[in-house]
Amino acid sequence: YAFAQPPSVSVSPGEMARITCSGDALPTQYVYWYQQRPGQAPVLLISKDTERASGIPERFSGSTSGTTVTLTINGVLAEDEAEYYCQSGDGRGHHYVFGTGTQVTVL
Amino acid sequence: EVRLVESGGGLVRPGGSLRLSCVVSGFDLNKFSMNWVRQAPGKGPEWVSFISRNSDYIDVAESVKGRFTISRDNAKSSVYLEMNSLTGEDTAVYYCARDPWGGGAGFDLWGQGTLVTVSS
Repeated sequence: YAFAQPPSVSVSPGEMARITCSGDALPTQYVYWYQQRPGQAPVLLISKDTERASGIPERFSGSTSGTTVTLTINGVLAEDEAEYYCQSGDGRGHHYVFGTGTQVTVL
Repeated sequence: EVRLVESGGGLVRPGGSLRLSCVVSGFDLNKFSMNWVRQAPGKGPEWVSFISRNSDYIDVAESVKGRFTISRDNAKSSVYLEMNSLTGEDTAVYYCARDPWGGGAGFDLWGQGTLVTVSS
């Protein structure tokens, strides 16, 4: 089981990127967002739906609406090109379930 | 500096065993639950196993249950993953990851990972 994310998002520098994560359990579970650059470990961006992790730029934000949570990158930079994963519990006892991942490409 | 450093990966034949280690620094391991998370080539992360702060609660993914065992030695600032009966599906980068929220939440700190390759 994995939460559904769009496979890819393309955005021009300075524009906004939105990455969604969908799952029936999400209204009752906190969601965490990670950024992973090639060859590197994931880095926590957002915890508990909306809390930006330490050292993460303000252009990254999280929001929720029903069964969909969204990671927004305002004013995308070239360095934001990476894979992004959501992670949460599935409401059936599995706590660490990842999304399918979204590749953000900066045009 | 807060760090997690994994080691112990390598090439192993199907059916073989490996023991991974994760040494932490910059924080008190006694205060945190820990996990192993793996990522197969070209795939997303997959949680493998959880151990509570004092080892009184352990959880393991169904895909490795009965084959993988997590443990920790807080005095040595270390977390371990014993892996037995390895198959090609276990080929992945294995990360040590910290859950600062007491378990069942997310991961605020990851190591750089250690690659395990299962192949004949």
